[in-house]
Parts: sequence; C-alpha cells; structure tokens
Amino acid sequence: EAQVTQNPRYLITVTGKKLTVTCSQNMNHEYMSWYRQDPGLGLRQIYYSMNVEVTDKGDVPEGYKVSRKEKRNFPLILESPSPNQTSLYFCAARKTSGSLAGELFFGEGSRLTVL
Amino acid sequence: AQSVSQHNHHVILSEAASLELGCNYSYGGTVNLFWYVQYPGQHLQLLLKYFSGDPLVKGIKGFEAEFIKSKFSFNLRKPSVQWSDTAEYFCAVNAGAGTALIFGKGTTLSVSS
Repeated sequence: EAQVTQNPRYLITVTGKKLTVTCSQNMNHEYMSWYRQDPGLGLRQIYYSMNVEVTDKGDVPEGYKVSRKEKRNFPLILESPSPNQTSLYFCAARKTSGSLAGELFFGEGSRLTVL
Repeated sequence: AQSVSQHNHHVILSEAASLELGCNYSYGGTVNLFWYVQYPGQHLQLLLKYFSGDPLVKGIKGFEAEFIKSKFSFNLRKPSVQWSDTAEYFCAVNAGAGTALIFGKGTTLSVSS
C-alpha cells in the first residue's frame, strides 16, 4: 500500500527546543515536500526536494530546515521553534514523470504546538 | 508567480442540493489541475485531476470538474451533495510534473441533513 508516514502525529513543545518531524514514503517517488496548514491560509509549502540531495525553499521556509539524504526520507527540522510555528504539518510525495506524475500523496499530518 | 484563487471560503448546503466550487488560476502556459478533499481530522486525498484531453473530468464520489482554458478556471461540481461531503476542498495547480504544486486557500463545505 502506498504510504507517506509522518512522526510524531502530535507534539507539544516549548520555545527553543529543537525538534524533528520525520517523513518516510514507500513509493520510491522522486519529489517530496512539506506543507503547513493554517486556518484561512490553506496549505503553504515550506520546502521541497526534487530528488536525493536536492532541496529548495517553498513559500514559507523561515525557521525550518530539511535534508534529503535518502530517497524515502525527508525530515523537517525546527532548530529553535517559536509559537508562530504552531500548525498542522503535512509531508507529501509524488512522481515527477510517468502517468502518476504530479499527483501528491499526503501523510496523515503532524499537529505541532509550540508554547 | 502562479496563484490559485478559490472564491468561496465557506459554503453551506442542504443535502441533495447541487454544488459548484470556483477555482481560478493565474498561469499562461500548460497546467495540471487538481482538486483535493480533506475530511475532518484527516489528510488530503485526491478527488480528481486534469492533465490533458477531455476538459470535463470525473472523479471519485460523484464529483466532476470542468477545465475552461479561456477563463483559467477549474470549477468543481456535484449534482447532489450528501452529509458525508462535509469537508474542506482545495484546488491546486502546477505547470508540469517537475514543478511545485500551488494550492488555493480552500473552501469549507458544510452539508446539513
């Protein structure tokens, strides 16, 4: 079964305490991306990766880091979380060629609260 | 830069009413178009997509969308909504498989039984 798995699903943390949200996909898709979802703002892209060792900023990258050392994993790192990073985060993956190209598969989401 | 506009922020309908959600995009070239649905507490799932060919595309659960190139629109429709269609709906566009997928801000649909 095609899956994008995120962990943790829920996290409450405090300002400044570094955290990592992991994302793993079992579809061998080239493209992976992180979005944050906030009421009234829809989904905004944080970072994306076209393939291993290739990452790029999305619309709202400030305060976040990512890495893509392996094709299946794309962790999101908050070095020093702040309350304005309280949000619902989604990881997604898709192919970049072929019949399924373009269709994003989403993880279940990670709800992060920064106090 | 590309952008996607969803004109309706919140739509409230009774069961069996017809639905049309508007989506307009700004990009002059070839586009891929998507509608995603997010049921309460769940992740986004693909409803339907348009890459090329027949501009009227049919998706899951009785939804369809029509691509009108001259109007830069990709409106979502359903002839008769059900209570279980209560969800948030997102229109999304990209300029090709290797480009970023841009989302609209979403439309919340509430269906009363």
